[in-house]
Amino acid sequence: NAGVTQTPKFQVLKTGQSMTLQCAQDMNHNSMYWYRQDPGMGLRLIYYSASEGTTDKGEVPNGYNVSRLNKREFSLRLESAAPSQTSVYFCASNEGWNTEAFFGQGTRLTVV
Amino acid sequence: AQSVAQPEDQVNVAEGNPLTVKCTYSVSGNPYLFWYVQYPNRGLQFLLKYITGDNLVKGSYGFEAEFNKSQTSFHLKKPSALVSDSALYFCAVRAHSGNTPLVFGKGTRLSVIA
Repeated sequence: NAGVTQTPKFQVLKTGQSMTLQCAQDMNHNSMYWYRQDPGMGLRLIYYSASEGTTDKGEVPNGYNVSRLNKREFSLRLESAAPSQTSVYFCASNEGWNTEAFFGQGTRLTVV
Repeated sequence: AQSVAQPEDQVNVAEGNPLTVKCTYSVSGNPYLFWYVQYPNRGLQFLLKYITGDNLVKGSYGFEAEFNKSQTSFHLKKPSALVSDSALYFCAVRAHSGNTPLVFGKGTRLSVIA
């Protein structure tokens, strides 16, 4: 059982480049999330999808877009990367509001 | 708006001693509360949760947490710390009502010294 799978694990971008972070879960969960983790800031929610076909902004959505492609997949796109987007990105999923979330291994993104 | 405070950036404890990692929360209505642990270069792993019922919740690896509604706290505890418990610990909260996602604290780094 793979759980939550994120690709790629590492990425270096130049300022202004675009890229898409992929996330897939095999647990048939309804809800999926994208967080970023920065030193001293904890985890901050970028976007979430409560169910297939819906997406909502989190705490720090600027500079990002998301697509809930189907129930399994939730991608995060950076249209024009900036150094401030250097971070570790985590995808997570859960079944419902009172259930624990399962996290991927993270994507370490550096924008130079 | 819901929020979580973890007042200590770092907690140091000797191996074999009890440990406490503090968490307070703010939420409208009743909370769902969670603790997660993160080891280096890994994703977060679920430890335990409080949904309703008994205020003392037991979880993985011998950890437990006590929900205190009057103090709006959900401190993580373990009677006897191990060196392998050294990691980053996150508290998280969500309100029972409304379509709100999980909100995390900033994390507390626990170091257990042999």
